[in-house]
Amino acid sequence: ETGVTQTPRHLVMGMTNKKSLKCEQHLGHNAMYWYKQSAKKPLELMFVYSLEERVENNSVPSRFSPECPNSSHLFLHLHTLQPEDSALYLCASSQDLDREALHFGNGTRLTVT
Amino acid sequence: EDQVTQSPEALRLQEGESSSLNCSYTVSGLRGLFWYRQDPGKGPEFLFTLYSAGEEKEKERLKATLTKKESFLHITAPKPEDSATYLCAANTGTASKLTFGTGTRLQVTL
Repeated sequence: ETGVTQTPRHLVMGMTNKKSLKCEQHLGHNAMYWYKQSAKKPLELMFVYSLEERVENNSVPSRFSPECPNSSHLFLHLHTLQPEDSALYLCASSQDLDREALHFGNGTRLTVT
Repeated sequence: EDQVTQSPEALRLQEGESSSLNCSYTVSGLRGLFWYRQDPGKGPEFLFTLYSAGEEKEKERLKATLTKKESFLHITAPKPEDSATYLCAANTGTASKLTFGTGTRLQVTL
């Protein structure tokens, strides 16, 4: 596979569930990102990792917990979410933090019931 | 606070009817202006980066231009396959300092 792959594509979870989103990039990039995309809102940056080290956490609630075990994989662990967390969650990668062109995956459509 | 505004919110064109999408930005220290295309159910796909006023870039029927306050994405003789949401983003630092607009949803009909 090439590019950035996200699984699952769709996820429905209750407010008390725990689930994880997975992202894998096959581009040899060193930086990875989680974004949240809600209808009629700009993309919101959630987390940034560079060489497996978290470099940015944009005031994201603790019910979202990222994990980057290596430069090719990124996870977003979810627990006790709220209905307003329903959105499209996009993973992206870039060669490094100074190369601004992001390569996005196709996202996970999350619905919290 | 950095701000990026895109207009119109939605645009419907007939095939072959050229038009422009606008991206105006108010940011401190622009390091790059980016255009992305997003198809329904997919992630954004990178199109262009513009770095300085006066710069232009082209790809097939698309041409992006940049001034000190705004960027335009010109679509010449569009085809139905150009239908998508077009996003612009302004970078004021490293790749984590991208401010996105809300996008223009373009529909091109036969």
